[in-house]
Amino acid sequence: DGGITQSPKYLFRKEGQNVTLSCEQNLNHDAMYWYRQDPGQGLRLIYYSQIVNDFQKGDIAEGYSVSREKKESFPLTVTSAQKNPTAFYLCASSISSFSKNIQYFGAGTRLSVL
Amino acid sequence: RKEVEQDPGPFNVPEGATVAFNCTYSNSASQSFFWYRQDCRKEPKLLMSVYSSGNEDGRFTAQLNRASQYISLLIRDSKLSDSATYLCVVSDNYGQNFVFGPGTRLSVLP
Repeated sequence: DGGITQSPKYLFRKEGQNVTLSCEQNLNHDAMYWYRQDPGQGLRLIYYSQIVNDFQKGDIAEGYSVSREKKESFPLTVTSAQKNPTAFYLCASSISSFSKNIQYFGAGTRLSVL
Repeated sequence: RKEVEQDPGPFNVPEGATVAFNCTYSNSASQSFFWYRQDCRKEPKLLMSVYSSGNEDGRFTAQLNRASQYISLLIRDSKLSDSATYLCVVSDNYGQNFVFGPGTRLSVLP
C-alpha cells in the first residue's frame, strides 16, 4: 500500500538531547512537509522541501533541522535549542508544489519531554 | 488578523441535523481551498477540495466566495461518525504555502 510512514509513534526526549523523527513516503511525491500541532491549535509549518537536496524554513523553524537526501525520506531533528518541543508532529507530502495539489499526512509522532 | 479563521466551536448537534462551518482567509492571492477532517489524536485527512463553482459529495457541500474570501462546509443528516475537528486549508497556486485554520470541533450526539 502506498502511503506516508512516520516513526516512532511516541517519543520521549531528555533535557539537552537531540531526537530525530522519521518520515518515509512511497507515493513518489516531490514535496514533503513537517508540521507541529499543539493541543487545540492548528498546524504550523516547520520546514518543507520541494525537491531532493533542497528545503526551506517554515514559520517556526528555530530549534529544528531537516535533510532531504532521498526523495522518499524527510527526517526532522528536534534539537536541544527547541525549548518547548512537546507537541504532535505531522509529516505530509504532495505531488508537486508547483501545481494545484493535495497534501497527504502520516499518522504523526507525539513527542514529550521527560 | 490570522490568515485563516474558522468558527470557534465546538458545535454540538443531534443526529440528523444540518450543520454549517465557516472559514475566512486574508490572502486574496490564495488559489486552492480544502476541507480536512481530523479525528482526535489522528492525522488530518482530506474531506474535499473546494472549487469555485461549489461542489458536493454526498451529504457534504462546499462553497467558495472569492469576493468575500469565504469558504463554507455544509453537512446534512449528521451521523455520529461525523464527530471530528474540521480544518479549513488555503494554499497559493504554487502549493508552497498551505495555511491551516485552527479547526472547528463537531460533536454529533445520539
